[in-house]
Amino acid sequence: DVVMTQSPLSLPVTLGQPASISCRSSQTFVYSDGNTYLNWFQQRPGQSPRRLIYKVSNRDSGVPDRFSGSGSGTDFTLRISRVEAEDVGVYYCMQATHWPWTFGQGTKVEIK
Amino acid sequence: EVQLVESGGGLVQPGGSLRLSCAASGFTFSTYWMRWARQAPGKGLEWVASIKEDGSEKAYVDSVKGRFTISRDNAKNSLYLQMNSLRAEDTAVYYCVHMLRGLPFDYWGQGTLVTVSS
Repeated sequence: DVVMTQSPLSLPVTLGQPASISCRSSQTFVYSDGNTYLNWFQQRPGQSPRRLIYKVSNRDSGVPDRFSGSGSGTDFTLRISRVEAEDVGVYYCMQATHWPWTFGQGTKVEIK
Repeated sequence: EVQLVESGGGLVQPGGSLRLSCAASGFTFSTYWMRWARQAPGKGLEWVASIKEDGSEKAYVDSVKGRFTISRDNAKNSLYLQMNSLRAEDTAVYYCVHMLRGLPFDYWGQGTLVTVSS
């Protein structure tokens, strides 16, 4: 299985400041169609997960543009340009190229 | 509006069985893969099973192979997860998921809690 490793696991942030989460995979995962299916999810307290980013850098519908994704190969990053109170929650990276699709351990974002 | 509504969760003894259901609406159910994911209390997320549009292909995470069966009824816009030989480590919130990995479509149900305990 492709192992996804996130860092940090806990991220205290100041409102209005940027934040960054790293995700590293145990192997590359380029699908036969040439796409790297790297996703980022947000899970707010008490809610179901919600995808923010698909295919490394594409924002899902309704996702604020303060969220951005980047990376290639085995190293990927989720950035929040200016953290807002509603961004508190756990963030997961996930690869959807090789079954079983696999998630990272999660990064808990909280306000300082 | 896409809606996914899970049901069927509850308390079951180790070794027991449970059948989860997911009622889908707001999209053409019969034309998409569907999936189940789960989240143990206070833990991370795990994909459990996937099923092709017509049910001809199914995939499972190793930890549930031989015990869980995913199925669907396209006439009823419903997805199912039959869970047998349940173990304590299967305790989790189970989510029904409609997600296209290459397009901006991602929908999760509210989840149904399965507790395996004596």
